[in-house]
Amino acid sequence: EAGVAQSPRYKIIEKRQSVAFWCNPISGHATLYWYQQILGQGPKLLIQFQNNGVVDDSQLPKDRFSAERLKGVDSTLKIQPAKLEDSAVYLCASSLSKTGTSGRRGEQFFGPGTRLTVL
Amino acid sequence: GIQVEQSPPDLILQEGANSTLRCNFSDSVNNLQWFHQNPWGQLINLFYIPSGTKQNGRLSATTVATERYSLLYISSSQTTDSGVYFCAVELLNNAGNMLTFGGGTRLMVKP
Repeated sequence: EAGVAQSPRYKIIEKRQSVAFWCNPISGHATLYWYQQILGQGPKLLIQFQNNGVVDDSQLPKDRFSAERLKGVDSTLKIQPAKLEDSAVYLCASSLSKTGTSGRRGEQFFGPGTRLTVL
Repeated sequence: GIQVEQSPPDLILQEGANSTLRCNFSDSVNNLQWFHQNPWGQLINLFYIPSGTKQNGRLSATTVATERYSLLYISSSQTTDSGVYFCAVELLNNAGNMLTFGGGTRLMVKP
C-alpha cells in the first residue's frame, strides 16, 4: 500500500514570495491534515479536511496561509507572502476517518514532509 | 489547556541498553499514538494505543488511561533506533478534536 506522498521535498524562497505544497493521501482515506513542524518542536495542526470540506482550520494563519482539497483527494497548501518565521517542515497526514472517531479509523499516517527555508 | 508532556527530553544510550520513555497527558483520551521521527524527518507509526499494552518486536507500549500516562519501552537498543520519539494525544474533551504532540524525546544510541 502506497503511503502519503508530498512534493516538493525541499524549497528555498525569499521572504514575501509565494510557495505551494502538494499532498496525496493514502488511497481511501477520507481525512487529510496539514501540520507545521518548527525545528525542535512537535508538529502542530494547521488544517483538517474531511473529504473536500474543512473540519478544523482554527490554527491556520488565514492572512497568509490557504489550503484546498477540491476533489476530496489530493490537497494543496499555499503561503503568500512568506515570512522568515514560516521556515519549517510542512507535514501532510491522512486517516480513514476524522478525529473524534473511535477506534483505529482515526489513526493518522504521515508523509515525508516538505522542508521550507525562507531567506 | 491541553498538555502533553514527554520525558526525558534527551537520552543517550549505549547499543544494547534498554530504555523507557514517558508521556503524561492532561485528560481522558480518544486516541494516542507513538511515532518515531527518523533523522530524515519521516514520522513512522509505532503504536496506536489509547489503552492497554501492545508489543512489536523490541518495542512495547502501555497506556494507563485512568492515570493519564503512556510508556514506550525500547529493549536491546540499536543505532537505527536513534531519532525523536513523539507521543500524540487526542483528548476526549477537546472540542477541536485535534492530535496534540508532546515535545518529543531525542534518543541517540551509540555503537
